[in-house]
Amino acid sequence: GESVGLHLPTLSVQEGDNSIINCAYSNSASDYFIWYKQESGKGPQFIIDIRSNMDKRQGQRVTVLLNKTVKHLSLQIAATQPGDSAVYFCADLLRTALIFGKGTTLSVSS
Amino acid sequence: DADVTQTPRNRITKTGKRIMLECSQTKGHDRMYWYRQDPGLGLRLIYYSFDVKDINKGEISDGYSVSRQAQAKFSLSLESAIPNQTALYFCATSDSGTRNQPQHFGDGTRLSIL
Repeated sequence: GESVGLHLPTLSVQEGDNSIINCAYSNSASDYFIWYKQESGKGPQFIIDIRSNMDKRQGQRVTVLLNKTVKHLSLQIAATQPGDSAVYFCADLLRTALIFGKGTTLSVSS
Repeated sequence: DADVTQTPRNRITKTGKRIMLECSQTKGHDRMYWYRQDPGLGLRLIYYSFDVKDINKGEISDGYSVSRQAQAKFSLSLESAIPNQTALYFCATSDSGTRNQPQHFGDGTRLSIL
């Protein structure tokens, strides 16, 4: 079946470090991927997306990399801040449904 | 004001009761969705609607029903609530178009069924 998983359930970093959150997907036909951030008591918040015709996309302090050969994508957060502490989900848009991974909890210490 | 508003934010009820969760949006999007989230798991799709006259089942529709009252409103009902429907429920919207668009979520309804 379809699955979009994250490699690590938790990631702890120091403020100012760069963070890398990884995600693997199983459907080689997947052509659209989204990263969401979820803070406690809130809904998932869109961070960045990437289509399968791209390898890399940059936003403000964030970069998403897509490796279709190994079916892997990553979210890089530059100069991580305490406000970045949250659960991060990757999601694959399969036809009409978003297929979510289980999430990585990012903890940023000062 | 939030673009996607869910009410109520929290609800505790008893087994067998009928419950309605409501969602309204000011984003002007055609597409609306209902998901549930369980601890340690990602979100799973319950129902979705691409316009007012369109309703489709998602992965886990059993025990749920929906109504798309207007472009901006999409409600989820539990006809006879059971304890394993205790979860966090999210409404989402997305724009239509020829290319995939991200979904935007409300802040959720925490539902507890005793």
